[in-house]
Amino acid sequence: GDSVTQMEGPVTLSEEAFLTINCTYTATGYPSLFWYVQYPGEGLQLLLKATKADDKGSNKGFEATYRKETTSFHLEKGSVQVSDSAVYFCALLDTGRRALTFGSGTRLQVQP
Amino acid sequence: DSGVTQTPKHLITATGQRVTLRCSPRSGDLSVYWYQQSLDQGLQFLIQYYNGEERAKGNILERFSAQQFPDLHSELNLSSLELGDSALYFCASSRQGAYEQYFGPGTRLTVT
Repeated sequence: GDSVTQMEGPVTLSEEAFLTINCTYTATGYPSLFWYVQYPGEGLQLLLKATKADDKGSNKGFEATYRKETTSFHLEKGSVQVSDSAVYFCALLDTGRRALTFGSGTRLQVQP
Repeated sequence: DSGVTQTPKHLITATGQRVTLRCSPRSGDLSVYWYQQSLDQGLQFLIQYYNGEERAKGNILERFSAQQFPDLHSELNLSSLELGDSALYFCASSRQGAYEQYFGPGTRLTVT
């Protein structure tokens, strides 16, 4: 079945550092890919998406590119802020099933 | 604010009891999804409804059931509760033909 693998956390960075959170997936067909963010005590917020190969999703300085050849969708940000501290989830959507499959989440801690 | 509402925010109950969680989707969204987030299982898809009809089932226990009403709100019923059912339960909604799912703030269920 479908699966998503994320790098283990926590990831601890200093403010203004470069961020990469790795995500790889296994799926049949051509899934859509997403990054969601969960701030402490809150629900999941959609951060960005990509629906086909080579698409780049971007939002609030975060970017991720759908790489079919490496089945990856790594999240990047050039300069993190303390307010980016949260748990980040990579997810895929099998359009046939319409249900999201999530990775285990990566906790990001940004220190001032 | 995603526009998806869930009640109650917190629920504490005893083993063997039954509870009902409620979700109102974003205005205009016909699809509702239920997910469970637990420490050991991560985020798992439970069930999807589309315009009142069950559309897809995931790892939903037989003790759990759901329905979507004509006004499109949905309820998740959990019965014969066990300690292991303690988790965050999220509802999400999406528009017809859209890839994105928008999540509510969740209901935290504690079974004692």
